[in-house]
Amino acid sequence: GAGVSQTPSNKVTEKGKYVELRCDPISGHTALYWYRQSLGQGPEFLIYFQGTGAADDSGLPNDRFFAVRPEGSVSTLKIQRTERGDSAVYLCASSLDSRSPLHFGNGTRLTVT
Amino acid sequence: AQSVTQPDIHITVSEGASLELRCNYSYGATPYLFWYVQSPGQGLQLLLKYFSGDTLVQGIKGFEAEFKRSQSSFNLRKPSVHWSDAAEYFCAVVFTGGGNKLTFGTGTQLKVEL
Repeated sequence: GAGVSQTPSNKVTEKGKYVELRCDPISGHTALYWYRQSLGQGPEFLIYFQGTGAADDSGLPNDRFFAVRPEGSVSTLKIQRTERGDSAVYLCASSLDSRSPLHFGNGTRLTVT
Repeated sequence: AQSVTQPDIHITVSEGASLELRCNYSYGATPYLFWYVQSPGQGLQLLLKYFSGDTLVQGIKGFEAEFKRSQSSFNLRKPSVHWSDAAEYFCAVVFTGGGNKLTFGTGTQLKVEL
């Protein structure tokens, strides 16, 4: 069956611009997670949704980062006024519920020039 | 503070040799423990997990891991490495009360020599 889908796979943007990254979870998965992986590092937690609500957004680095999941399925990670330090691979994962294993997408590679 | 450490950044082994990747955590209780593999351009794939019970856990692709409470370790092993095992390996934990929020180590890059 279809896995977690992330679009675009690559995004290049200029410093100061706004970007949106999309995640389509596995159908029926109620939990959705965003992680950020910088070069040479392990993924770092950003935010976790259970259904439509953000159950834990403690990993968002600052108020330029925001994520939504309005219908409890697709999620969008939004980054305002991008900075070069935001360059990373943004990973999305979903799970059947909060206790089931995570299934990761292939990520969106964001480059801020 | 809660943390996960993978002390080896790079490891090179010959095909057919045995492999052990190290993982240590810092935490007052026993967390949930995971190993993931990431191949270039691919998403993270779960190899195995430990929640409780038998401390020797079998996973996919012939991997196993052993939880040692006294050493706060969860090392990944494979008796005979194949060239296709070359990838980056991440140890991850969920600390109690952390929901399903994974904390990852910095990863170990495995190179397999033919």
